[in-house]
Amino acid sequence: DSGVTQTPKHLITATGQRVTLRCSPRSGDLSVYWYQQSLDQGLQFLIQYYNGEERAKGNILERFSAQQFPDLHSELNLSSLELGDSALYFCASSAAWGANYGYTFGSGTRLTVV
Amino acid sequence: AQTVTQSQPEMSVQEAETVTLSCTYDTSESDYYLFWYKQPPSRQMILVIRQEAYKQQNATENRFSVNFQKAAKSFSLKISDSQLGDAAMYFCASTNYGGSQGNLIFGKGTKLSVKP
Repeated sequence: DSGVTQTPKHLITATGQRVTLRCSPRSGDLSVYWYQQSLDQGLQFLIQYYNGEERAKGNILERFSAQQFPDLHSELNLSSLELGDSALYFCASSAAWGANYGYTFGSGTRLTVV
Repeated sequence: AQTVTQSQPEMSVQEAETVTLSCTYDTSESDYYLFWYKQPPSRQMILVIRQEAYKQQNATENRFSVNFQKAAKSFSLKISDSQLGDAAMYFCASTNYGGSQGNLIFGKGTKLSVKP
């Protein structure tokens, strides 16, 4: 157990629907990062939050949004889902703003859009 | 834009032998950090090794070591005495600190197979 908790582990939904992925960072970590891992695409950075504030945005679609709550857990909302959104979504956390010591990853949420 | 390139989509090694995975990166930062992560079939991302760019000495973690060539922007991973449990996807990553960024940029990965 890495200490980063992601729920649910698997999610199957239909095109056009909206889903919410949840992440609880490792105890004491203030930064949360979201990544999308599609087949043959490696890990694409979506967004970073630090202590409740958005700090950096990557290749995140307008249909996607995220937030970090006062208790530091984070949610990634995906709406108007398309088949191409099927992927493994990772949450990771780090103690500080930056990634100098790397991340601790959760086990991911496998999203399948049918 | 900052990039990390892994030119070997797949590699294979015999058990107990040594294999080297390649990675090159492109950054304009003077201070940065480099990582190798392992992703076994369980999907969990596991940190293998970390290198601080301002340190000349190559990082080592048990059977894992790196060859860091700063001028060439090369960061390869050497796995010695390969074991069946080393079979996984391996991702190279670099810190991305341009502007207010504080995230990691990953390469597309190298799939390592270990033959008994």
